[in-house]
Amino acid sequence: DAGVTQSPTHLIKTRGQHVTLRCSPISGHKSVSWYQQVLGQGPQFIFQYYEKEERGRGNFPDRFSARQFPNYSSELNVNALLLGDSALYLCASSLGGVAKNIQYFGAGTRLSVL
Amino acid sequence: AQKITQTQPGMFVQEKEAVTLDCTYDTSDQSYGLFWYKQPSSGEMIFLIYQGSYDEQNATEGRYSLNFQKARKSANLVISASQLGDSAMYFCAMRELYNTDKLIFGTGTRLQVFP
Repeated sequence: DAGVTQSPTHLIKTRGQHVTLRCSPISGHKSVSWYQQVLGQGPQFIFQYYEKEERGRGNFPDRFSARQFPNYSSELNVNALLLGDSALYLCASSLGGVAKNIQYFGAGTRLSVL
Repeated sequence: AQKITQTQPGMFVQEKEAVTLDCTYDTSDQSYGLFWYKQPSSGEMIFLIYQGSYDEQNATEGRYSLNFQKARKSANLVISASQLGDSAMYFCAMRELYNTDKLIFGTGTRLQVFP
């Protein structure tokens, strides 16, 4: 079975531009979460979507937005890119709705903002 | 607020030896889950092991075991019989069980296994 897939794998943008990152969850998983991992740190939670509704939001500015589609895939959008947005963006999927909920991660999208 | 602390930035271990990676956590919740993930240089976070706050037995998954000491708020990962392929970053994480999927991660420990 396919794991969590993310696209693109690498991306280079300039300040002020907009970026869209995509994530396809494991088949049967209804929950998708997004994390930002800056070099040398642990991942930071950005969003969770479950059954197409936002379930959680981390401490990120409104430039960050996301959505989940009927097939449970998800997009993360970042507007007005800043140099500090350079990071590895990880997507994780889970069954959702259960106490022991294991999140499985994709390989990430590495975003460089110049 | 929830917090995960990993005090070992780097650890070395010889192949076939056991190693313990430390993790302490802080939470006021009674129901929570503790997780360990491995991150190779490729970037993907690989799930290793889970321990629920109400689980009485320490979790084990193959060569991985979790030394859970609730009163001390510690959840150390023990890797037995280390292999060269175990060289990676290891992250401890925590989640409230009846809330969002939000994971709180520590800063990680880089493990290097040498022959």
